[in-house]
Amino acid sequence: QLQLQESGPGLVKPSETLSLTCTVSGGSISSSNYYWGWIRQSPGKGLEWIGSIYYSGSTYHNPSLRSRVTLSVDTSKNQFSLTLNSVTAADTAVYYCARYDISTGFRPGYFDYWGQGTLVIVSS
Amino acid sequence: DIQMTQSPSSLSASVGDRVTFTCRASQNISTYLNWYQQKPGKAPKVLVYTASSLQSGVPSRFSGSGSGTDFTLTISSLQPEDFATYYCQQSYSAPITFGQGTRLEIK
Repeated sequence: QLQLQESGPGLVKPSETLSLTCTVSGGSISSSNYYWGWIRQSPGKGLEWIGSIYYSGSTYHNPSLRSRVTLSVDTSKNQFSLTLNSVTAADTAVYYCARYDISTGFRPGYFDYWGQGTLVIVSS
Repeated sequence: DIQMTQSPSSLSASVGDRVTFTCRASQNISTYLNWYQQKPGKAPKVLVYTASSLQSGVPSRFSGSGSGTDFTLTISSLQPEDFATYYCQQSYSAPITFGQGTRLEIK
């Protein structure tokens, strides 16, 4: 059974950098059928897609965050990572990593496996 | 960006009821629409993909329909475990966007 697990600091100071890693187990991150994504959810709010990365390193970003976001993948460790620069209180959220199934094409894709989520609070 | 609008924002219903959630896209997205269920403190779970395909393991009381800009998710007979928040998500074009959710509450 595929599992995803987010890890990283739960508290980040304003203006600093948020860094999270998602470790994938029970399957290979190098499959051609999947992208790997980050989604966040602010307290009491809806879901916001941050970006997605392919095992080759190809990425898609949400333009609203693009200038502050870096996505990377480490196939040797079966991990992918998110860094978000210059954080503010507005970046306080639960951050989820998830697998995006593109086995029938990118447009018909959907998030089929999710991590449990990790709460990141931006505060001094 | 494609804006996804869900209605209503909340809904009260009883066990055994038939309920329908609505999602509207700001432009034509064909059938590139997915539905998720989220319970408090948990990650979302996909129920329906490409508007009407039921994800493996999801009970058959869930069904999705629609194309273009208007979509619905229907639960034919509510069960106690169905009380949750439901989100739609378009995969037609980046950035991927979600609706704001419909919270299903017990009447």
